[in-house]
Amino acid sequence: SQQGEEDPQALSIQEGENATMNCSYKTSINNLQWYRQNSGRGLVHLILIRSNEREKHSGRLRVTLDTSKKSSSLLITASRAADTASYFCATDIGADGLTFGKGTHLIIQP
Amino acid sequence: DTEVTQTPKHLVMGMTNKKSLKCEQHMGHRAMYWYKQKAKKPPELMFVYSYEKLSINESVPSRFSPECPNSSLLNLHLHALQPEDSALYLCASSLNTEAFFGQGTRLTVV
Repeated sequence: SQQGEEDPQALSIQEGENATMNCSYKTSINNLQWYRQNSGRGLVHLILIRSNEREKHSGRLRVTLDTSKKSSSLLITASRAADTASYFCATDIGADGLTFGKGTHLIIQP
Repeated sequence: DTEVTQTPKHLVMGMTNKKSLKCEQHMGHRAMYWYKQKAKKPPELMFVYSYEKLSINESVPSRFSPECPNSSLLNLHLHALQPEDSALYLCASSLNTEAFFGQGTRLTVV
């Protein structure tokens, strides 16, 4: 079953703009991760935020986590054409395996 | 070596065929996973192996049969599949929380 819901489902912005994607989940979590997928191939881990953290940065990525609202956001600053991909949040509730959100398809217009 | 290698990349099989998908990692990860991903959907967990033992089977039909011959290899044996089983099959491994994904096998059942 799916844990997360992402919005928007699709996002198209101009190169250089910032992109924000949101994820909501249903159950308590140990951590929340964001993954990127290019053209229906393998997923690449971007960033992990633990349940006791509120914000985390990695390069042009900024992730926030609000456990009271069971939501997270991923901000990509100064977007590039190469950022075009699908982005998924994923939760790990202590059991094995990840449960993914529906994903946001991001298109960066040159 | 931080790669998860999946073979074949593409597979077309008839409903009466038997085929196998293969996955290999040499990162010393003790957890390995199979996910199924339909077009425009998130990956869905199928099986989890922990220390070479099947720990989770997410109610997957018996026409999918996983096997973990050793700590580096994971197979998915396919038999009598249906056209609706056509999807991208992703293998992943992990040590703790971050999952490393292979590029997937694009399976088409005809």
